Amino acid sequence: DTGVSQDPRHKITKRGQNVTFRCDPISEHNRLYWYRQTLGQGPEFLTYFQNEAQLEKSRLLSDRFSAERPKGSFSTLEIQRTEQGDSAMYLCASSLVPGQGMHEKLFFGSGTQLSVL
Amino acid sequence: AQKITQTQPGMFVQEKEAVTLDCTYDTSDPSYGLFWYKQPSSGEMIFLIYQGSYDQQNATEGRYSLNFQKARKSANLVISASQLGDSAMYFCAMREALYLQTGANNLFFGTGTRLTVIP
Repeated sequence: DTGVSQDPRHKITKRGQNVTFRCDPISEHNRLYWYRQTLGQGPEFLTYFQNEAQLEKSRLLSDRFSAERPKGSFSTLEIQRTEQGDSAMYLCASSLVPGQGMHEKLFFGSGTQLSVL
Repeated sequence: AQKITQTQPGMFVQEKEAVTLDCTYDTSDPSYGLFWYKQPSSGEMIFLIYQGSYDQQNATEGRYSLNFQKARKSANLVISASQLGDSAMYFCAMREALYLQTGANNLFFGTGTRLTVIP
């Protein structure tokens, strides 16, 4: 169990460029989440997958954002035409669908810090 | 309205002493779960402890315990015997069962408390 890994750790880009982040969840986990965290705030939910199906998208996820999990394993989050307001830490988390009466425990990666200049 | 409120932006505690980090929540759902996470400077969110709304006893995990006062809608984290490695941001979070029924699966986080342990 190597934990949730995210790549890259840091990304600096110019406004208007496209960026893509990758998340590798814990291998047997079937749920995968993306969160965004800005300075001084707690993480905010963006979207989540159960296996390869994207089950929910937050209204925070504008049309410039797209997430995929093509084979139910790793996931990518792409931001097109980046804006300065996109600067944040993007966190990925994974979990197992909990059994009856059990709570769902999310395991987070260390995040990708995006800076848009 | 904020779902989770953490009113202490920063807290200091002497090493080996106990500290309480405050968390209040707002929900009309009778079934919900409360979580505490630790975020060290490396950025990773580390799960600490969970309390279900129907749990009769306060949750405990090693040096962490949760002071759950349902009528007051508070879920304070108590860290006993503080260690230097406890210095980090601490986030309280809640998931409402309603979201599980609708297919949504949102975990709401507070703004966090930065804990500094003084040697």
